[in-house]
Amino acid sequence: SQQGEEDPQALSIQEGENATMNCSYKTSINNLQWYRQNSGRGLVHLILIRSNEREKHSGRLRVTLDTSKKSSSLLITASRAADTASYFCAPSSGGTSYGKLTFGQGTILTVHP
Amino acid sequence: NAGVTQTPKFQVLKTGQSMTLQCAQDMNHEYMSWYRQDPGMGLRLIHYSVGAGITDQGEVPNGYNVSRSTTEDFPLRLLSAAPSQTSVYFCASSAFGISGNTIYFGEGSWLTVV
Repeated sequence: SQQGEEDPQALSIQEGENATMNCSYKTSINNLQWYRQNSGRGLVHLILIRSNEREKHSGRLRVTLDTSKKSSSLLITASRAADTASYFCAPSSGGTSYGKLTFGQGTILTVHP
Repeated sequence: NAGVTQTPKFQVLKTGQSMTLQCAQDMNHEYMSWYRQDPGMGLRLIHYSVGAGITDQGEVPNGYNVSRSTTEDFPLRLLSAAPSQTSVYFCASSAFGISGNTIYFGEGSWLTVV
């Protein structure tokens, strides 16, 4: 399994602003997932984008995938204080990587009221 | 439907003691795994299982044992606890399907080894 690298490591914004986080990976993938972790809690799945998709939306979340650049971005629009959390990307090549995704250090997002 | 349940939530051990972190899932998932999360290190895979009776090592397996006698349960055993094993442990499960390999995490077990 391969690990994604999130950037920036930390992001601090005001409520109502948009937050953009990036993820880079090294080898070809079958899909890429984004997860959120609130302080002291387990990770929660946010969205999955497949290698043949370029953009996907879910509520205030927008994920893009550029397989030529081996990168993905997560955009949270109109951020709320409740969006304060760590965000992780998890690229997957499928096959034997199922069930054992690898996670980087994540992006710590702080949304100030 | 409880999802992934971990026990205990908090545990303090003395160096050299052994213990078992319990994990159970009620989603009939084939895949289960254990991660540890240390500050600034992200999540690291300890062991994983692709089905009952089948386990394999992840990135950091030393000092830990696992077994998978049923689909539902995947306990993690610390054989002789060391301060370096102080961490937060997460159990997770997933199933192969059209939604891909979305992983469902438990709420974590905070372990301190003194």
